[in-house]
Amino acid sequence: EVQLVQSGAEVKKPGESLKISCKGSGYSFTSYWIGWVRQMPGKGLEWMGIIYPGDSDTRYSPSFQGQVTISADKSISTAYLQWSSLKASDTAMYYCARGGITLKWPFDIWGQGTMVTVSS
Amino acid sequence: QSVLTQPPSASGTPGQRVTISCSGSSSNIGSSYVYWYQQLPGTAPKLLIYRNNQRPSGVADRFSGSKSGTSASLAISGLRSEDEADYYCATWDDSLSGPVFGGGTKLTVL
Repeated sequence: EVQLVQSGAEVKKPGESLKISCKGSGYSFTSYWIGWVRQMPGKGLEWMGIIYPGDSDTRYSPSFQGQVTISADKSISTAYLQWSSLKASDTAMYYCARGGITLKWPFDIWGQGTMVTVSS
Repeated sequence: QSVLTQPPSASGTPGQRVTISCSGSSSNIGSSYVYWYQQLPGTAPKLLIYRNNQRPSGVADRFSGSKSGTSASLAISGLRSEDEADYYCATWDDSLSGPVFGGGTKLTVL
């Protein structure tokens, strides 16, 4: 079964760092793009960025460039999303999703989501 | 403000047919396939329609998609209570060089 399993919910304070993960299984992890999508409470879906685990080619949405870092460790089929200094406005559900092979899109398989709460 | 425009809400009674619209521009819907996602309460989005009008395996044929120019629509026939969810259209945007989503439509089954 093709699946993406994300790390658990996090509660952090403003200014703290955080790295959440997304582990792929059931398919060739290095052959498909992996994207990250933010969903703020009660709001819609926003594309953050995307990575090709095969060579770590990474692209960011202009809205998130410089705000987060996307990486991947192909040896353990895991993609990451990290922040160096969290803000309260980073409170949201974050989803990873599998993209295409030659194309980065569409996202066909989604992780279960990781809820990040940033509060003092 | 989402790049793709959807009505915030839609509703229907069991058995009815409802449609949800999605409006974009020449740099997104006008030049790319449209996809639809269903997000049931408290769950991750699920791919419902791909390449404008194709259904993944396991998706009921009550769901159908269409596209014309810079707009697209999702139709749900024979509405059921379990269809109550948020629905998002999405496509690739050439200007952004990335995917864009509609703001979502909350479907209520009365």
